[in-house]
Amino acid sequence: GQNIDQPTEMTATEGAIVQINCTYQTSGFNGLFWYQQHAGEAPTFLSYNVLDGLEEKGRFSSFLSRSKGYSYLLLKELQMKDSASYLCAPLDSNYQLIWGAGTKLIIKP
Amino acid sequence: IAGITQAPTSQILAAGRRMTLRCTQDMRHNAMYWYRQDLGLGLRLIHYSNTAGTTGKGEVPDGYSVSRANTDDFPLTLASAVPSQTSVYFCASSEREGNGYTFGSGTRLTVV
Repeated sequence: GQNIDQPTEMTATEGAIVQINCTYQTSGFNGLFWYQQHAGEAPTFLSYNVLDGLEEKGRFSSFLSRSKGYSYLLLKELQMKDSASYLCAPLDSNYQLIWGAGTKLIIKP
Repeated sequence: IAGITQAPTSQILAAGRRMTLRCTQDMRHNAMYWYRQDLGLGLRLIHYSNTAGTTGKGEVPDGYSVSRANTDDFPLTLASAVPSQTSVYFCASSEREGNGYTFGSGTRLTVV
């Protein structure tokens, strides 16, 4: 079957760095997305990885290892507004996104 | 309109009633999707449409139907609502299969 595994919740301090891990098993693979979702709002696109390696975009970076079925999202210089859920979503062989339950990130002052 | 518009924003519905959730996009995206999101669970795909005139079933299609008469509109209908359909419903679109999704702001539905 298809499965996404992310930590349910993480806590970090403002100004620090946090890494959110995601492991996945899918029927085929055509890339992996990370989305951010603030409470009560819709998910918004953060990053897309299709090849192995690190993609950097400002304070956010995303890493992919296809052979290990593993990705992480790295958030630097954390701000209070980064408190949100972060959703890992690989794209399967049918080009359907498979969604994990997400990681709720709590930022403390 | 800019992006995806969903209506209504929220609704309280009596069990057994019929309800249509509306979704309209102005980006000329080919693919559209309906998801439900429940506390502690990931987004679950209800139905999808890869292009106007075609639809497909997702992970949890029972009790729901969709139509895709044109590129812009993708309504979701609950024929006879039940309390287990209480959820937040998100409509999404992508330019084509494999692209990132743009989401609507969601419809919070409570069936009592």
